Amino acid sequence: SQQGEEDPQALSIQEGENATMNCSYKTSINNLQWYRQNSGRGLVHLILIRSNEREKHSGRLRVTLDTSKKSSSLLITASRAADTASYFCATGAQKLVFGQGTRLTINP
Amino acid sequence: DAGITQSPRYKITETGRQVTLMCHQTWSHSYMFWYRQDLGHGLRLIYYSAAADITDKGEVPDGYVVSRSKTENFPLTLESATRSQTSVYFCASSVTQGAWVNTEAFFGQGTRLTVV
Repeated sequence: SQQGEEDPQALSIQEGENATMNCSYKTSINNLQWYRQNSGRGLVHLILIRSNEREKHSGRLRVTLDTSKKSSSLLITASRAADTASYFCATGAQKLVFGQGTRLTINP
Repeated sequence: DAGITQSPRYKITETGRQVTLMCHQTWSHSYMFWYRQDLGHGLRLIYYSAAADITDKGEVPDGYVVSRSKTENFPLTLESATRSQTSVYFCASSVTQGAWVNTEAFFGQGTRLTVV
């Protein structure tokens, strides 16, 4: 079974709104990563948060990590049409495993 | 050009045939991975490699074989293709923190394989 599970599976919001996606994982981690996949393309790395960090920012992205709950969230603020994509979390120091992803649609 | 490339981009093969998907990276990253992506399953890890001559099974290794004689290449072979192996296959390589902890992974463009 996959290590990370994203929630919700699909999310549709209006442009300018914030989007929040969640990831739960099963075992202890060194770090947790978030990736974006545009339709039909390879995944692109967005941000990495280490196990001893609680929050990290990169531009309009904010990631939180709660190791006691084995969960992480990705917040995209002021969403744009170009943010339409699938978002995946990934864990695993050696065996890099991805969840099923959240399909985000930004409506104009 | 620097990066990670997969070939072919598209492949149609018949049931029972052997097919090899190629993956090449120019960074000398230690870790390399093969994933398959199917609707409803996200990305599932097939095999991964920590270094040349070191490979290990992922979540769905059955029916696949890998080798890694050189750091830059990580081919994936379907020994006898089945229709259930119709999928999009992604190769990736990863930067490591220290010797063994993955950080940022870089993905190829994918190979769309159809088994008929």
